[in-house]
Amino acid sequence: SAVISQKPSRDICQRGTSLTIQCQVDSQVTMMFWYRQQPGQSLTLIATANQGSEATYESGFVIDKFPISRPNLTFSTLTVSNMSPEDSSIYLCSVGSGSSDTQYFGPGTRLTVL
Amino acid sequence: GENVEQHPSTLSVQEGDSAVIKCTYSDSASNYFPWYKQELGKRPQLIIDIRSNVGEKKDQRIAVTLNKTAKHFSLHITETQPEDSAVYFCAASTTGGFKTIFGAGTRLFVKA
Repeated sequence: SAVISQKPSRDICQRGTSLTIQCQVDSQVTMMFWYRQQPGQSLTLIATANQGSEATYESGFVIDKFPISRPNLTFSTLTVSNMSPEDSSIYLCSVGSGSSDTQYFGPGTRLTVL
Repeated sequence: GENVEQHPSTLSVQEGDSAVIKCTYSDSASNYFPWYKQELGKRPQLIIDIRSNVGEKKDQRIAVTLNKTAKHFSLHITETQPEDSAVYFCAASTTGGFKTIFGAGTRLFVKA
């Protein structure tokens, strides 16, 4: 499976600021996704990062709050904008292989907003 | 909308016993059902998956069963060990994995 890295691994931010999270894959992948995992909760899909076009957002998530870039088939960024304490979560990217439906997750970014 | 329900939310077993986690899904178009294990502070890791054209799949101590008619699928862990302690998530998606819906998770404790 692909090797997936995320930066930063964790951060503590002040409310009202923004944080950009990077996801790097060691091979080209068709599908890249961004998830949020609130403390003790399940995984919630934020959006699908589409290469060369705008991301596809799930209900409850908007581009102004979570802008996403996908400049190529190995890299994506998620920005959490105008943060509030409610944004404190783990943010995970995942990739889907072209030959199967399986998703593999990055190590996650633990965000704390004060 | 699509939904995946998972039970129980917490499961405690004695080492060596079996553990069973059950999920139901609502979208009849779902045809791919992965299971993930997440240890504390780590990323979710795929442990087994099953497709809708198969009723059962086994990999050493873990097995998954699928009843498409009833929209149920289950994870079975036999001869549990302390290192099996983790949160387990079931999920359902359609071909292409364009949208995967996760269950709420089951926290499994295996007591030595």
